[in-house]
Amino acid sequence: DQQVKQNSPSLSVQEGRISILNCDYTNSMFDYFLWYKKYPAEGPTFLISISSIKDKNEDGRFTVFLNKSAKHLSLHIVPSQPGDSAVYFCAASDVGTYKYIFGTGTRLKVLA
Amino acid sequence: NAGVTQTPKFRVLKTGQSMTLLCAQDMNHEYMYWYRQDPGMGLRLIHYSVGEGTTAKGEVPDGYNVSRLKKQNFLLGLESAAPSQTSVYFCASSKENTEAFFGQGTRLTVV
Repeated sequence: DQQVKQNSPSLSVQEGRISILNCDYTNSMFDYFLWYKKYPAEGPTFLISISSIKDKNEDGRFTVFLNKSAKHLSLHIVPSQPGDSAVYFCAASDVGTYKYIFGTGTRLKVLA
Repeated sequence: NAGVTQTPKFRVLKTGQSMTLLCAQDMNHEYMYWYRQDPGMGLRLIHYSVGEGTTAKGEVPDGYNVSRLKKQNFLLGLESAAPSQTSVYFCASSKENTEAFFGQGTRLTVV
């Protein structure tokens, strides 16, 4: 049973516009959430994270929003750039287990 | 700064053969992980370790064994490879409650 879900396998956005990637989770014990970006033939690289005590975290063009009651998080990229084209994974962990559980990923394509 | 290094990067095995994948990290991280990535399945946790000498099962542990004899190394073993284990394997490491750093991956094909 998938504990972290990314229901959109792919997303296309025009350069300069906002990209919104969504992620849902089922385990209420998760208290730390991360987003990773992955290019082909490379390992995932960390993008941004948020702990459950916050509902928003920003880092430059990237903002992560957390809605604990809905068990939902989203990643906003503004403005989107062609170099942002990659697969994005959300991940979650709980302090007690130290495991990172990943979603299935969303392939973002930013069109020039 | 090497970070997380995986060896080998590519390997082709015949069904039934065994092999060991090596992961080494130079960041003095306590926690280490092995994931596999398959199309449409995302990254699935195979085994992980919360410190030297410890290991624990992840989401898909069957057919794999691991060992963490030294803090900087985490080995993933396949005792009898099966075609279903064809995948890209990623190792990662982290400190407590921080992001995990990933290696470049090992592409394994079992024929």
